[in-house]
Amino acid sequence: GENVEQHPSTLSVQEGDSAVIKCTYSDSASNYFPWYKQELGKRPQLIIDIRSNVGEKKDQRIAVTLNKTAKHFSLHITETQPEDSAVYFCAASIEGGSQGNLIFGKGTKLSVKP
Amino acid sequence: EAGVTQSPTHLIKTRGQQVTLRCSPISGHTSVYWYQQALGLGLQFLLWYDEGEERNRGNFPPRFSGRQFPNYSSELNVNALELEDSALYLCASSLYYRAVNSPLHFGNGTRLTVT
Repeated sequence: GENVEQHPSTLSVQEGDSAVIKCTYSDSASNYFPWYKQELGKRPQLIIDIRSNVGEKKDQRIAVTLNKTAKHFSLHITETQPEDSAVYFCAASIEGGSQGNLIFGKGTKLSVKP
Repeated sequence: EAGVTQSPTHLIKTRGQQVTLRCSPISGHTSVYWYQQALGLGLQFLLWYDEGEERNRGNFPPRFSGRQFPNYSSELNVNALELEDSALYLCASSLYYRAVNSPLHFGNGTRLTVT
């Protein structure tokens, strides 16, 4: 089955700096790669996703890149703010099929220092 | 639109007991997923139900089981509780399993403590 590795497990940056979180996946059939943000004591919430027919996607300060050949994808946050502090999870699945359940990485705890 | 709702919010049980957790999906969603979030272990996939059928199962022992009702709500049952079952149990829902562009929406979870 699918296995998702996520690095780093913790990341500390100064406000205004960029943050990058990287994930690799094992199943070449996976075609859907979302990122979830979980603030302390709250539910995980989708912040951005990308599908295998696209190499990059941006939404304001957040961007995700996908390298299908290398089977890795990354989350980039620019101009970080204290409210970006949270745990971020990457995930992978085969969308629209019997393997549609998301398999998550172990998470990255991002701390943005003012 | 009401989100995914889970009950109870907190639960304390003793080793060896059994527990039932409940989840109501977003209206119109037929797929329900269960995840275990233990400290430091991320989101571990438990079970996935759609249209009343179990679609997939994670690497958990058979004492973790569940079902989905005709109204698409779902129950997660855990028998013979062990200390390591202490975790936040998250339920999520999405549209019909063959749909694309239907992200998972999570509930607030049930915090289970086993003593």
